[in-house]
Amino acid sequence: EDQVTQSPEALRLQEGESSSLNCSYTVSGLRGLFWYRQDPGKGPEFLFTLYSAGEEKEKERLKATLTKKESFLHITAPKPEDSATYLCAVHGGSNYKLTFGKGTLLTVNP
Amino acid sequence: IAGITQAPTSQILAAGRRMTLRCTQDMRHNAMYWYRQDLGLGLRLIHYSNTAGTTGKGEVPDGYSVSRANTDDFPLTLASAVPSQTSVYFCASRGADRNNYGYTFGSGTRLTVV
Repeated sequence: EDQVTQSPEALRLQEGESSSLNCSYTVSGLRGLFWYRQDPGKGPEFLFTLYSAGEEKEKERLKATLTKKESFLHITAPKPEDSATYLCAVHGGSNYKLTFGKGTLLTVNP
Repeated sequence: IAGITQAPTSQILAAGRRMTLRCTQDMRHNAMYWYRQDLGLGLRLIHYSNTAGTTGKGEVPDGYSVSRANTDDFPLTLASAVPSQTSVYFCASRGADRNNYGYTFGSGTRLTVV
């Protein structure tokens, strides 16, 4: 059974204070690891897909990296508008179902 | 604007009543999904459909049914609602483009069963 564990559950940063969110996973045959952003009252918004260890992707202040056991979402010089819940999910197997972690609630104070 | 439309946005439902949550996408995605999101439990898959005419059970299918008569629509039905089905329900679809393989989610339906 695929499993995803995200840490920390909540993270509070000052504006400009860089940090990283962790996503540890176990999956039989990783087909993709996904990062999403979710704002209160909204559906998750797709950020990145990573397919193989060593892969990195960037978007504005966010960079996602992948190893064989975990993924990191690095946030550089965050702004208050980066405040959201960040979800990690994995796709393993052949039927394209995603297994989600419980998320990290990020709060960036001005 | 391409995406997923869910209706209603929110609903208060008496226990024992039947309810259908609607989901429509205009991206011609083959695969569609229903998730529920509960505090402390995250997103859990209820049912999925890899293509029109086929459906499958997810992690928490009991008490729910789905149909996929065409590519665009994927309704979720609660035959006889119970309070434990109080949740936020998200419909999602998946594109086949490897560069954007992630799911697209709707804005959700907040359901309260009393």
